[in-house]
Amino acid sequence: GAGVSQSPSNKVTEKGKDVELRCDPISGHTALYWYRQSLGQGLEFLIYFQGNSAPDKSGLPSDRFSAERTGGSVSTLTIQRTQQEDSAVYLCASKPSSGGLNEQFFGPGTRLTVL
Amino acid sequence: DQQVKQNSPSLSVQEGRISILNCDYTNSMFDYFLWYKKYPAEGPTFLISISSIKDKNEDGRFTVFLNKSAKHLSLHIVPSQPGDSAVYFCAAREPTDKLIFGTGTRLQVFP
Repeated sequence: GAGVSQSPSNKVTEKGKDVELRCDPISGHTALYWYRQSLGQGLEFLIYFQGNSAPDKSGLPSDRFSAERTGGSVSTLTIQRTQQEDSAVYLCASKPSSGGLNEQFFGPGTRLTVL
Repeated sequence: DQQVKQNSPSLSVQEGRISILNCDYTNSMFDYFLWYKKYPAEGPTFLISISSIKDKNEDGRFTVFLNKSAKHLSLHIVPSQPGDSAVYFCAAREPTDKLIFGTGTRLQVFP
């Protein structure tokens, strides 16, 4: 089925390296969200894209984190100079439009481990 | 500061009995509440939702109750089945369309 896909599924990196995580939303979905789930924690909002509007970056934990969405579809979350506390599962979600009563559809996540 | 709280990290229920998962929130501006279910190594999947103007929504074995005055919602699963064993997340929607999630409750349904 054409659900939300994320790659890679697992990423192990060394402290200080940069990583890129990719999200392919469901075709036609205009809203895209990034979350992360640290061990024993809930889902923490990171960033939200809606169409051509400026993204809501209010959840990004530091300036080492950035995200872009090209052509209103694929999104890449970049973490520069990774730290051990960045280890988490990074989840992407999409939905057909902002507002309304539509639920968000989640991908399987990328498990990031920073050694 | 946690705006959405699930105070029970785990719950164990016998098959056929009722499972009740609870969630409390602090922000009266939330306009919509959702429950998601998550299996290991998978993303959360939507289960059921309720608008802030309602007090109950039912879908098969799943019912969500909202008590706005108490800022409390609960998910009832009856009868519980072993396949319901998963982590359940409560989420609340801000008017900006951002979801705030709780920390989850791990439900185990045993035979």
